[in-house]
Amino acid sequence: DGGITQSPKYLFRKEGQNVTLSCEQNLNHDAMYWYRQDPGQGLRLIYYSQIVNDFQKGDIAEGYSVSREKKESFPLTVTSAQKNPTAFYLCASSSGDSYYNEQFFGPGTRLTVL
Amino acid sequence: GENVEQHPSTLSVQEGDSAVIKCTYSDSASNYFPWYKQELGKRPQLIIDIRSNVGEKKDQRIAVTLNKTAKHFSLHITETQPEDSAVYFCAASFFFSGGYNKLIFGAGTRLAVHP
Repeated sequence: DGGITQSPKYLFRKEGQNVTLSCEQNLNHDAMYWYRQDPGQGLRLIYYSQIVNDFQKGDIAEGYSVSREKKESFPLTVTSAQKNPTAFYLCASSSGDSYYNEQFFGPGTRLTVL
Repeated sequence: GENVEQHPSTLSVQEGDSAVIKCTYSDSASNYFPWYKQELGKRPQLIIDIRSNVGEKKDQRIAVTLNKTAKHFSLHITETQPEDSAVYFCAASFFFSGGYNKLIFGAGTRLAVHP
């Protein structure tokens, strides 16, 4: 299960706090993604990055921010502006060099707001 | 807008029976359709995918069919086993200006295979 890692596995946050979720990959992939998973709603795209120093908003970017300073790292910050942040967060990566790239997922971080 | 609908949301079968999960997509330009399996508490993993220039693809007990005209694709699992029990997600690729592409996922199907 190596290749793409996320930390921490579980995260608890008080209301009003910002928290940062880590995502690292050693697959030499150009593209990286953040998804949010809620029960019965599948995977919804928060942000994605196709190359270093470039990223795009996904479908539910409000209340989240990202950076892509290194090819292997794509951290996600959940800000206090995100009204309902309790969810399971999945990071993924793909080689990004064609339209048919498999996305590889990390093990996920479960965030709970207390 | 970009949308992938997946049905059914839950599916219960007896071991040895077949299971079929169906998805429809909204963008006729979509050309890549992966299926992911997510076991309880684990990460989604790709089980099969199909490109738009192919109508059907098989891998042992699983197969995927694509009807581009109708904009729908289906996952078929034959001779189901208890270890097939999981949540299955379909996805379709969407493209937009700047050369970016992304996957839109269906809401998932929870498959239960009973011994």
